Amino acid sequence: DVKVTQSSRYLVKRTGEKVFLECVQDMDHENMFWYRQDPGLGLRLIYFSYDVKMKEKGDIPEGYSVSREKKERFSLILESASTNQTSMYLCASSLGGQDSALYGYTFGSGTRLTVV
Amino acid sequence: QKEVEQNSGPLSVPEGAIASLNCTYSDRGSQSFFWYRQYSGKSPELIMSIYSNGDKEDGRFTAQLNKASQYVSLLIRDSQPSDSATYLCAPGGYNNNDMRFGAGTRLTVKP
Repeated sequence: DVKVTQSSRYLVKRTGEKVFLECVQDMDHENMFWYRQDPGLGLRLIYFSYDVKMKEKGDIPEGYSVSREKKERFSLILESASTNQTSMYLCASSLGGQDSALYGYTFGSGTRLTVV
Repeated sequence: QKEVEQNSGPLSVPEGAIASLNCTYSDRGSQSFFWYRQYSGKSPELIMSIYSNGDKEDGRFTAQLNKASQYVSLLIRDSQPSDSATYLCAPGGYNNNDMRFGAGTRLTVKP
């Protein structure tokens, strides 16, 4: 089974801190994603990457950046954490390319971030 | 922006009944469609996928797709309390790198 591992289950940070959320997948997937999930708003795409060093903005990239230096690792960075970034952050991965549309995403267990 | 609409619920059904979950999507280019189940406090897990118009059955689950109407549904037969969760609909894109999710329908199955 594909495994997507997020480094922290719960995280508490102070306003203004720089925050790193790490995600690692072990099945050689091309695509990796960061979503945030908030009650009533569902899953919203922050950034995704389809290859090493490649990144694309999702629907809500403001206040976030990402890094993908290795195929298996995709990091989400909150440059200066704010209270409105308190949320559940979910990493996912998937195959890429034309045939990948036949397959879904595999999610990590999530990181619940609280910014105080 | 690609829109995915689901009846938000909550939907409550008695144990043993059929639960019907609905989803409409705006992107006519969507080629594949996925249903995810998310238990409270957990991450989404893929339970069904469908690519062609019509029905696809997998155990107690049946996915139905109508591309002309841009509509996809999930039926859960013989609902069990363990089916109580939020169900997310997600139309997939061509290269599987731009999937958007509906807000989800919360289902409660009462014993």
